[in-house]
Amino acid sequence: DTAVSQTPKYLVTQMGNDKSIKCEQNLGHDTMYWYKQDSKKFLKIMFSYNNKELIINETVPNRFSPKSPDKAHLNLHINSLELGDSAVYFCASSHTGLGQPQHFGDGTRLSIL
Amino acid sequence: GQQLNQSPQSMFIQEGEDVSMNCTSSSIFNTWLWYKQEPGEGPVLLIALYKAGELTSNGRLTAQFGITRKDSFLNISASIPSDVGIYFCAGRRSNTGNQFYFGTGTSLTVIP
Repeated sequence: DTAVSQTPKYLVTQMGNDKSIKCEQNLGHDTMYWYKQDSKKFLKIMFSYNNKELIINETVPNRFSPKSPDKAHLNLHINSLELGDSAVYFCASSHTGLGQPQHFGDGTRLSIL
Repeated sequence: GQQLNQSPQSMFIQEGEDVSMNCTSSSIFNTWLWYKQEPGEGPVLLIALYKAGELTSNGRLTAQFGITRKDSFLNISASIPSDVGIYFCAGRRSNTGNQFYFGTGTSLTVIP
């Protein structure tokens, strides 16, 4: 069973479109994250949710809106996509007490044309 | 935001050799993590360190929390081809809650 699963794995779309990435974890973790990995492989946190509540919100354009319907899901919606949004987006999860991202999904590769 | 510098940026070694890499920051950290990322996959947590001077092993991997609390080290002994990947450090500063910052990565290639 996949611990942290993201869909879709690949996303190719036009500039200006709106798209969503879904993430689900079956580990029973309380905390979920979204990270962005750029073309130089640099990983940067975007958001973190604990029990559906936003706890980390880094300097991310407000075109990015996370939504956590329950503690097993953290989706990412992106409005008005721009060329600079091209990257790999990773979802991750952890137990609240540890605070560190323990399990990452395999990533969603977003390409903006 | 905080960026951690990893050295070296890339390594090409023969199978069986030992590997050493490090991660440095300008700030004091209270937790250090080491991850490995293989192509097309997400990072996998290898080792977590919580105290200055702490030395922790995971199989052939050994990581240390630097005594200055501004650096960490990862060693891999007797490397094998499946060690190939990018190794990332990540650290948390004492005053930033749960925020972890990632390093720039060390790309490891093992030549059979």
